[in-house]
Amino acid sequence: AQSVTQLGSHVSVSEGALVLLRCNYSSSVPPYLFWYVQYPNQGLQLLLKYTTGATLVKGINGFEAEFKKSETSFHLTKPSAHMSDAAEYFCAVSAGTASKLTFGTGTRLQVTL
Amino acid sequence: NAGVTQTPKFQVLKTGQSMTLQCAQDMNHEYMSWYRQDPGMGLRLIHYSVGAGITDQGEVPNGYNVSRSTTEDFPLRLLSAAPSQTSVYFCASSSIAGGYTDTQYFGPGTRLTVL
Repeated sequence: AQSVTQLGSHVSVSEGALVLLRCNYSSSVPPYLFWYVQYPNQGLQLLLKYTTGATLVKGINGFEAEFKKSETSFHLTKPSAHMSDAAEYFCAVSAGTASKLTFGTGTRLQVTL
Repeated sequence: NAGVTQTPKFQVLKTGQSMTLQCAQDMNHEYMSWYRQDPGMGLRLIHYSVGAGITDQGEVPNGYNVSRSTTEDFPLRLLSAAPSQTSVYFCASSSIAGGYTDTQYFGPGTRLTVL
């Protein structure tokens, strides 16, 4: 079975500050890991993904995430928050057979002036 | 290339009514899925399909039916609507690589209210 835990349902940062959204996963096989972003009243769009190879992956809008197998983590970071980053962020895992994608419960990012 | 399309965008039903949410994709993806999104619960998988003629249940399948007669279409049927089915529904599709679901492309969602 596979699962995802996102720590913190709400995160608030100042504009220009570091963004850190936490994601831990559970999987019995090597996982594919994803971060998606959802802006108000819209569907989800892919920020970045890890499949195999380089453990530090870069995505759109200056976001990046690092796959740490020993910590079963895939935390999302951005060095400097922008007001336009305010949205809900979802971590997800796909772990082999059955090809199902399992989502975390999401983290709402608020960016303040 | 329209991606993933869903209809309708909004729907209000009365308890006990049935309806079908439509989903179509034009990317020739094998994998299609339906999620519901409720506040504080993330996205929960209702049903999914790994190809035409093949469907399976997700986390919350009760009260919903699906079929996949073509690669492109994956309709979701609500058999007898209940207020607990008030939610936002998303359809998504992706390719399958080595047994793994790759990047999922999402439709714009259907906001369903059951009175």
